[in-house]
Amino acid sequence: DIQMTQSPSSLSASVGDRVTITCQASQDISNYLNWYQQKPGKAPKLLIYDASNLETGVPSRFSGSGSGTDFTFTISSLQPEDIATYYCQQYDNLPRGYTFGQGTKLEIK
Amino acid sequence: EVQLVESGGGLVQPGRSLRLSCAASGFTFDDYAMHWVRQAPGKGLEWVSGISWNSGSIGYADSVKGRFTISRDNAKNSLYLQMNSLRAEDTALYYCAKGGNWGQGTLVTVSS
Repeated sequence: DIQMTQSPSSLSASVGDRVTITCQASQDISNYLNWYQQKPGKAPKLLIYDASNLETGVPSRFSGSGSGTDFTFTISSLQPEDIATYYCQQYDNLPRGYTFGQGTKLEIK
Repeated sequence: EVQLVESGGGLVQPGRSLRLSCAASGFTFDDYAMHWVRQAPGKGLEWVSGISWNSGSIGYADSVKGRFTISRDNAKNSLYLQMNSLRAEDTALYYCAKGGNWGQGTLVTVSS
């Protein structure tokens, strides 16, 4: 089974800061990686698909990069509304399904 | 607009069964694989099960294999999860998902 190691588990940053979250796969997953944002009491929202593609309607301050085993998610200038937990998600053909990272809780300093 | 609406959650005793449903609209249901993902209170996301468009390929997390059964009815645009032999550790919010589109979830609480 593929394991996804996401770091850090929590992060405190100031408004306007550049924020970076990483996700490492236990084996080559090509670009089969998504990034989600989850706010309290809400369902996860897709931000980045296929490692680097911005979902329609998502602000351009969000970006993703990487392929193979190492991936990065970046917020170029942190905004107050970005406070949330972020997850990476690896996806594969059935019957293997999805694997999620442990999540990164982002807070404002 | 894609809509996924889960139902069927509730409070159930350990060892009992529950069947979740997901009503889909806003897309051609039988073109897509569908998945169940759960989130225990205060915890991260865990994939539970997935089913291909024609039910020809099905997968389960090891934690539910042999206890849960996923199915779909393309004529009714609906996805199901039959959960048997429920355990306390199955307590979670269960989401229905189509790719990047998720429902709002239905809460399953397993407790005596």
